[in-house]
Amino acid sequence: EVQLVQSGAEVKKPGESLKISCEAFGYSFSSHWIGWVRQMPGKGLEWVGVLHPGDSATRYSPSFQGQVTISGDTSINTAYLLWRSLKASDTAIYYCARASTITTFNTWGQGTLVSVSS
Amino acid sequence: QSVLTQPPSASGTPGQKVTISCSGSSSNIGSNTVHWYQQLPGTAPKLLIYDNNQRPSGVPDRFSGSKSGTSASLAISGLQSDDEAVYYCAAWDDSLNGLFGGGTQLTVL
Repeated sequence: EVQLVQSGAEVKKPGESLKISCEAFGYSFSSHWIGWVRQMPGKGLEWVGVLHPGDSATRYSPSFQGQVTISGDTSINTAYLLWRSLKASDTAIYYCARASTITTFNTWGQGTLVSVSS
Repeated sequence: QSVLTQPPSASGTPGQKVTISCSGSSSNIGSNTVHWYQQLPGTAPKLLIYDNNQRPSGVPDRFSGSKSGTSASLAISGLQSDDEAVYYCAAWDDSLNGLFGGGTQLTVL
């Protein structure tokens, strides 16, 4: 069974760094794009970016380019979303999702709640 | 404001057919396929329709998708109470990033 298991909720202060994870099970991690989607409180879905773990290719939304980094470790079938300096406006649920094509998210993780507050 | 435009809300009574629209441009819907996601309250989104009109296994045939030019539609027939959810359209943009619509809250009256 294809499954994505995300790391737990985080509470951080502005300016701190954070890396959240998404571990993949049941498929060839290196062979499929994997992406991240943001959902701010009470709001809709926003496409953050995608990674192809096999060659580390990435694509970012212009809104998130330079704000976050998407990476992966094929030895442990895990994708990451990294912030170097969090802002209060980063408070949201972040979902990882496996893509059957670069745009089709057919399996989703359970979401990671990131709360940033002073 | 999302590049893909959806109505914020839609409603229908049990058994009815409801249609949700998604409007884009030549750089996204006009030149790429459209996908639809369903998000039930408090849960992760789920892929409902991909490549304009394809259903993943397990999705009932009450759900159907179509695309014409720079617009797409999701139709739900035989509306049921557990169809109450937020529905999002999505597409790739030729500027090399993905897009979601703003979402449509479906209420079953």
